[in-house]
Amino acid sequence: QQQVKQSPQSLIVQKGGISIINCAYENTAFDYFPWYQQFPGKGPALLIAIRPDVSEKKEGRFTISFNKSAKQFSLHIMDSQPGDSATYFCAASMNTGNQFYFGTGTSLTVIP
Amino acid sequence: GAVVSQHPSWVICKSGTSVKIECRSLDFQATTMFWYRQFPKQSLMLMATSNEGSKATYEQGVEKDKFLINHASLTLSTLTVTSAHPEDSSFYICSGRNPYGYTFGSGTRLTVV
Repeated sequence: QQQVKQSPQSLIVQKGGISIINCAYENTAFDYFPWYQQFPGKGPALLIAIRPDVSEKKEGRFTISFNKSAKQFSLHIMDSQPGDSATYFCAASMNTGNQFYFGTGTSLTVIP
Repeated sequence: GAVVSQHPSWVICKSGTSVKIECRSLDFQATTMFWYRQFPKQSLMLMATSNEGSKATYEQGVEKDKFLINHASLTLSTLTVTSAHPEDSSFYICSGRNPYGYTFGSGTRLTVV
């Protein structure tokens, strides 16, 4: 069973546009929600993360919106650039040092 | 800070041979290391969790005798794919728990021919 559901599977955005990727979870015990960026042939790199006590977190062009009641969270990439083209994974974990449960990934392509 | 160095980045081996993948935490002590497997254009699937000084915990469906994990020190964890077969060809990634969260290695592309 997929613990974290992610959509869309792929996304094409024009340069300067906003990229939005959505994730949903079921387990209310999750309390840490990171987003990872992965380039081909490389390991995932932490982009930004949020805990459920806040509804939004912004770091530069990247923003996480978190809706605890709906059990959903999303990544917004403002002013998308071609260099942002990568695969993005959302994840969830319980803050006891346990494993991450990853979404299925979104392949983002930003066209000039 | 919190860097995990994974080697090799890619390896080609013949069927029936064994391959060892190393992950080293360079500037922190990784008491817990996770090992993932990733098929092309798919998500990361957790294979096993290793804790320093104890036996690894394997996920359901992962053969522990085939994927040997050793976490003998706080800075080194290894994954050995024994008697490799072409279906073991994949991208293997480790992740170490650090004081700030989790850091992933750069991954190892294994091709078994």
